[in-house]
Amino acid sequence: SYVLTQPASLSVAPGKTASLTCGGNNIGNKGVHWYQQKPGRAPVVVIYYDTDRPSGVPERFSGSISGNTATLTISRVEAVDEADYYCQVWDGATDQVAFGGGTKLTVL
Amino acid sequence: EEQLVESGGGVIQPGGSLRLSCAVSGFIVSRNYMSWVRQAPGRGLEWVSIIYSGGDTYYADSVKGRFTISRDSSKNRLYLQLNSLRVEDTAVYYCARSEAAADPFDVWGQGTLVTVSS
Repeated sequence: SYVLTQPASLSVAPGKTASLTCGGNNIGNKGVHWYQQKPGRAPVVVIYYDTDRPSGVPERFSGSISGNTATLTISRVEAVDEADYYCQVWDGATDQVAFGGGTKLTVL
Repeated sequence: EEQLVESGGGVIQPGGSLRLSCAVSGFIVSRNYMSWVRQAPGRGLEWVSIIYSGGDTYYADSVKGRFTISRDSSKNRLYLQLNSLRVEDTAVYYCARSEAAADPFDVWGQGTLVTVSS
């Protein structure tokens, strides 16, 4: 099965930039989606297909791909951004969905 | 409004069976790709199974042969039959929609908790 690797945690001060990474083999060929999950709530997509942002998601959220790493960037971090973030792809070779292990973002 | 509401969770002994249900409103279940995603307590998201709009079904290796995904178009519902349950199947189970296999999950339910314990 396809493996996505995320750091377990990241801490950032308010107003700074958070860069959350997601590594996977040939990830640039997959189409990466990013979800935000707050305690007790279902996940919400914040970036889809690497760089697209759903309506209603602040412009502070952006996505990028470089080599075997996808990155979710949150600019001017706010306390409300504190949450768990997951990357996800569909693996067409196996018709399976893969999630990364998630990164817990703490706003200091 | 597009909405998913799961039910059927509970406490079950190892080796037991359970059927989860996901009531769909605001869209047609058979015209979309529907998945089950679970989350063990304090852990990350784990994809479990998907049913394509055409009816094909796929499973995570961890549940293959034990779980079965299905849908009822007349009731506009999605199901997950859980057999031979193990302690490690304890999790909140979410149903989720995507409009194609590679698309993001854009609609999620609130989840239903399955606890496997003796």
